[in-house]
Amino acid sequence: GAVVSQHPSWVICKSGTSVKIECRSLDFQATTMFWYRQFPKQSLMLMATSNEGSKATYEQGVEKDKFLINHASLTLSTLTVTSAHPEDSSFYICSARGPYPGFTYEQYFGPGTRLTVT
Amino acid sequence: GQNIDQPTEMTATEGAIVQINCTYQTSGFNGLFWYQQHAGEAPTFLSYNVLDGLEEKGRFSSFLSRSKGYSYLLLKELQMKDSASYLCAVLDSNYQLIWGAGTKLIIKP
Repeated sequence: GAVVSQHPSWVICKSGTSVKIECRSLDFQATTMFWYRQFPKQSLMLMATSNEGSKATYEQGVEKDKFLINHASLTLSTLTVTSAHPEDSSFYICSARGPYPGFTYEQYFGPGTRLTVT
Repeated sequence: GQNIDQPTEMTATEGAIVQINCTYQTSGFNGLFWYQQHAGEAPTFLSYNVLDGLEEKGRFSSFLSRSKGYSYLLLKELQMKDSASYLCAVLDSNYQLIWGAGTKLIIKP
């Protein structure tokens, strides 16, 4: 149980275009979803936290107009990288957390999306 | 501020035992997680400690001392596939996960 999928697993796009990444909890209701970015050989960097039906909370330094997050349902969150540039190339990982009680505060991770902007 | 410290890199020999330490200073404490992350992949859950003591799960064990702000992950009978980064993360008073930078573990034959 507690499976999270992410789509696409990898994407290559041209500079200036937008890319949407989907994160789905397959067998549980994800009341909270998290979006991380990870550059090569570096640790996870939390970008934003989103609760179903409300606006995402962005970490300091993360541009909310550039990284649009939507958490419209209890099983789906999307991250849209708008007007992507080569410096946005990274490994983007989502995670989801179920409702408490019943679930621990463990975050279940999706497999990640590798974005390359040319 | 909130701070989690763990060694950047460790090297161990196949078949041996290795202990990865994690010290933390956070605003509140609601548990500590250990995750394993292979290169190019997402993290996978290893353990969760909220009470003091040792939790054993197969070859992996995790220890917590809340009074010392300290945890360790113990890996026994090391295998080559254990080569990965090991991430320590603390759930703070707001139930937010604070992540350490990770320890890269290199296993040599």
